[in-house]
Amino acid sequence: AQTVTQSQPEMSVQEAETVTLSCTYDTSESDYYLFWYKQPPSRQMILVIRQEAYKQQNATENRFSVNFQKAAKSFSLKISDSQLGDAAMYFCAYRSPYYGGATNKLIFGTGTLLAVQP
Amino acid sequence: SAVISQKPSRDICQRGTSLTIQCQVDSQVTMMFWYRQQPGQSLTLIATANQGSEATYESGFVIDKFPISRPNLTFSTLTVSNMSPEDSSIYLCSVEYPGGYNEQFFGPGTRLTVL
Repeated sequence: AQTVTQSQPEMSVQEAETVTLSCTYDTSESDYYLFWYKQPPSRQMILVIRQEAYKQQNATENRFSVNFQKAAKSFSLKISDSQLGDAAMYFCAYRSPYYGGATNKLIFGTGTLLAVQP
Repeated sequence: SAVISQKPSRDICQRGTSLTIQCQVDSQVTMMFWYRQQPGQSLTLIATANQGSEATYESGFVIDKFPISRPNLTFSTLTVSNMSPEDSSIYLCSVEYPGGYNEQFFGPGTRLTVL
């Protein structure tokens, strides 16, 4: 079974600085999808960034980028130029590639609570 | 991106009662899911809501406790039956769109407190 581990329960960053959130996963599958979701105090889960395992290039979305190391099964999220609005719980998630039914489920890590200091 | 609404946004219920949570999507979707997020915890999939057939439940979740309906491609309900304080959680629905990038989009969640 696949597992996702986030080893940093809490992180803090100064406004305008850069922070990296760690995520590792375990799987025997060769193809899969990885995601970072953000959950602000309002609790709405927001998709931040997506990475397909077959792509070697790291995904980027504006100030958000990932460092995907497939051999190491590592998927870290870098937030550049941190803003107060980035303060939230961040979840790393894994999804199998097969279509249909329960195999579409997201497997979540335990989350990292990010605080942004002004 | 998706416009997903959930009703109610929060509720406080008495032990032994049941609550039905609705999830409405702005357009037809292929897959709908129901997750539970216990206080301070991560998300766990309860079941996949299948249109026109019985939901597919994850290990540890049963239909008698969490009956699910999905009468069409834009709507689903989750009922939390015979509630106990241990059912106090946030319940979230999520959807996948046809032709998407294997992403799931989440509703705003329903915060349930059972006394």
